[in-house]
Amino acid sequence: DIQMTQSPSTLSASVGDRVTITCRASQSLSSWLAWYQQRPGKAPKLLIYKASGLESGVPSRFSGSGSGTEFTLTISSLQPDDFATYYCQQYDSYPLTFGGGTKVGIK
Amino acid sequence: QVHLVESGGGVVQPGRSLRLSCAASGFTFSDYTMNWVRQAPGKGLEWVAIISYDGSKKYYADSVKGRFTISRDNSNNTLYLQMNSLRAEDTAAYYCARELLGGIPNYFDYWGQGTLVTVSS
Repeated sequence: DIQMTQSPSTLSASVGDRVTITCRASQSLSSWLAWYQQRPGKAPKLLIYKASGLESGVPSRFSGSGSGTEFTLTISSLQPDDFATYYCQQYDSYPLTFGGGTKVGIK
Repeated sequence: QVHLVESGGGVVQPGRSLRLSCAASGFTFSDYTMNWVRQAPGKGLEWVAIISYDGSKKYYADSVKGRFTISRDNSNNTLYLQMNSLRAEDTAAYYCARELLGGIPNYFDYWGQGTLVTVSS
């Protein structure tokens, strides 16, 4: 199974800050990586696919980069709606696996 | 628009069974691979099972293999998860999720709102 490791697990930031979350895979994924946002009590929402593709309707302050085993999600200017938990997910092979999540809280 | 609505969750004793349903609308259900993903309280996401568009292929996480069965009824646009021999560690919100067309596997473009399963005596 491919193991996905996210860092940090939590972070505190202020509105307007630039935030970067890292996701590392235990083996190469090429670019088969997605990022999801989950607000408390809600279902996950797709943000980024194929490592850097922005899902339709997602604000352009979100961006993804990376390939192989190291990936990042960047929020260029944190907004109040962005305080949530973020998960990476590999879809290179079964079983599909998620990172442990990064909770972005208010500083 | 795409809607996925789960139902069937509740409180169940260890060792008992439960069947979850996911009603799909707003798209051609029979074209899409579907998944179940769960989330234990306060924990991260765990993929549970997948079924191909026609039901011919099914895969399971090791944690549920032999106990859970995924199925679908394309005539009624419904996905199911039959859960047998339930354990306390199966306590979670269960989400159905649609997999993007094309590419096997692929990412999830739509999720339901989830249904909570609590396994407790």
